Amino acid sequence: GAGVSQSPSNKVTEKGKDVELRCDPISGHTALYWYRQSLGQGLEFLIYFQGNSAPDKSGLPSDRFSAERTGGSVSTLTIQRTQQEDSAVYLCASSIKRGGETQYFGPGTRLLVL
Amino acid sequence: GDSVTQMEGPVTLSEEAFLTINCTYTATGYPSLFWYVQYPGEGLQLLLKATKADDKGSNKGFEATYRKETTSFHLEKGSVQVSDSAVYFCALTYGSSNTGKLIFGQGTTLQVKP
Repeated sequence: GAGVSQSPSNKVTEKGKDVELRCDPISGHTALYWYRQSLGQGLEFLIYFQGNSAPDKSGLPSDRFSAERTGGSVSTLTIQRTQQEDSAVYLCASSIKRGGETQYFGPGTRLLVL
Repeated sequence: GDSVTQMEGPVTLSEEAFLTINCTYTATGYPSLFWYVQYPGEGLQLLLKATKADDKGSNKGFEATYRKETTSFHLEKGSVQVSDSAVYFCALTYGSSNTGKLIFGQGTTLQVKP
C-alpha cells in the first residue's frame, strides 16, 4: 500500500518568505507527527495530531511555526518569515494510533533558506 | 527530561565483522524502545522495537535487548554487510496514555567496507 508522502521534496526560499510543507499520511492512521532533522540538533519532535486536533505542540520552536490537519488526513506545516536557522529536513510520520505504535516516516522535505 | 544517548560515530567496520552500537536512555516512566535506520537517500524506517523490560527486538539479523537495570538498548549484529551502511537512530516513546512522540538519540553512522 501507499506510504507516507510529503511535498515538495526540496524547497529553496529566501529569508523572510513563508513556506508550506505538506504531508499525506497512510490511510486510516489517526496519529500524525512532524519532526525536524538538522545537523546541529539531530531529530526533534515538532507537533503531534490525533485526528484534526493537536494536543501536543510542545516542539514548535517559535510562533512562526504552525500546522493544521484536515479531514483526519492531510497535514500542512507552515513556517512564516523563514530564517536561515529553519533550514533542515522536515519529516512527517503517521501511526495507526497514538502511544508506542510504530511510526511510518515519509521521505521528508529538504528546506533551504537563503 | 527524557533523553537518549548513542555512541558517537562514525563506526567503520569490515564486512562480516561484529557490530555493537550503544544506546542508553533516561526516562521518567516505562518507555518503548526503538531502533530506526536511514539508508543513504532514503527515509527513516523502523528496524526493531521492544516494549517492555527484557524484551528482545530482532530484524534482518540485528537484535537489541531492553535492559531496564542498565537503561540500555544496544544494537548488535553478528556479521555486517556493506548494505548495512546507514545511519542508525535509537529512540523512545511512551505507551497508549501518552502522545507517542519519539525522542531520538543523535544517530550513529555505520560504514561497512568490503
